[in-house]
Amino acid sequence: EDQVTQSPEALRLQEGESSSLNCSYTVSGLRGLFWYRQDPGKGPEFLFTLYSAGEEKEKERLKATLTKKESFLHITAPKPEDSATYLCAVQGSYNFNKFYFGSGTKLNVKP
Amino acid sequence: GAVVSQHPSRVICKSGTSVKIECRSLDFQATTMFWYRQFPKQSLMLMATSNEGSKATYEQGVEKDKFLINHASLTLSTLTVTSAHPEDSSFYICSAPSGETQYFGPGTRLLVL
Repeated sequence: EDQVTQSPEALRLQEGESSSLNCSYTVSGLRGLFWYRQDPGKGPEFLFTLYSAGEEKEKERLKATLTKKESFLHITAPKPEDSATYLCAVQGSYNFNKFYFGSGTKLNVKP
Repeated sequence: GAVVSQHPSRVICKSGTSVKIECRSLDFQATTMFWYRQFPKQSLMLMATSNEGSKATYEQGVEKDKFLINHASLTLSTLTVTSAHPEDSSFYICSAPSGETQYFGPGTRLLVL
């Protein structure tokens, strides 16, 4: 069964304190792994898509990496405005319309 | 990126009434759209896949007679919560694929009194 597990559930950082969020997955043929940011009371905002092991993508203070079993979202020198819940989702090759979401990591960056 | 809108953003209704939520793809066409439900502090749960020109596909455990889905055009899908009850109170989010990516609407907060 396709499954996504994110850790930690919650993460509190001081402004400027770099860290990483983890997304472990099990899927029958990975078509894509997606990272989203969700602010309270809003829909998820697309950040990155990764397709194959070894791939990396960056956007401002965020960098996403992918291996055959997990993905990391690295946050470098975070700012309070980076506070949000970060969601990971996988898309399998056999049912490519269906996204399997993890439960998310709630990030709180203190000034 | 592609833009998906939802209306209304927030709705309060009495128990037993029906509520319609609209999902629109604003700058692209979508033959398929998805409806999710999200409970507080939990992740998104896929409810159903909306298909333009054909019946929606519901996930296991989702009552199709309670959550009516109509994909009226290539840019519009509607979710109607029929005879709503307090346990239907939740955050409902739609999404539509553009290219390889799913783009999400801003969500609709439903409160059933």
